[in-house]
Amino acid sequence: AQKVTQAQTEISVVEKEDVTLDCVYETRDTTYYLFWYKQPPSGELVFLIRRNSFDEQNEISGRYSWNFQKSTSSFNFTITASQVVDSAVYFCALSGWDSWGKLQFGAGTQVVVTP
Amino acid sequence: GAVVSQHPSRVICKSGTSVKIECRSLDFQATTMFWYRQFPKQSLMLMATSNEGSKATYEQGVEKDKFLINHASLTLSTLTVTSAHPEDSSFYICSARFQAAPYEQYFGPGTRLTVT
Repeated sequence: AQKVTQAQTEISVVEKEDVTLDCVYETRDTTYYLFWYKQPPSGELVFLIRRNSFDEQNEISGRYSWNFQKSTSSFNFTITASQVVDSAVYFCALSGWDSWGKLQFGAGTQVVVTP
Repeated sequence: GAVVSQHPSRVICKSGTSVKIECRSLDFQATTMFWYRQFPKQSLMLMATSNEGSKATYEQGVEKDKFLINHASLTLSTLTVTSAHPEDSSFYICSARFQAAPYEQYFGPGTRLTVT
């Protein structure tokens, strides 16, 4: 069985602060994919990143960065210098090799950035 | 990039009626489409996997007679909520992928269903 845990329900920060979202996953697959999505109030999911289980390199994209650690089954996401537009729900998701794209989503973390 | 549309974006229907939601891949052929349901302030839950030309595969606990899924072409899948009840009110999101890239999934904008 696969499971994704996002223990933080809501995080509130003031603009320009950094915020880190935790994601811990469980899977028996040796090959799997991890994802982060952003869901703004409009509801539409915005794809942020996909990472396969063999690529443990950390990644940075603008103000976003991701830390993938297989040893702790974690795939954490950091927003640097947060902005009001970053306010959204962020979902971590997992797809196992045999799932053929079926996604197991975490519960989501609501990020609130205030000016 | 690949675009997936959903229609309607919002629908209100009366209890006992049926409502159809369309999911279209606009610029690629989607061999597989997924249907998710999201209740307010909750996560997305996979309802079913729809493969073109074959019957949908439903997740455990999802009533297949209530949520009819048809994937008649490589660009269109439909979800029909039959005999809708207020508890079916939810945000329904589809996603699509093509066979060559099973782990690249493109999401539609979602359909908000309200049953009165």
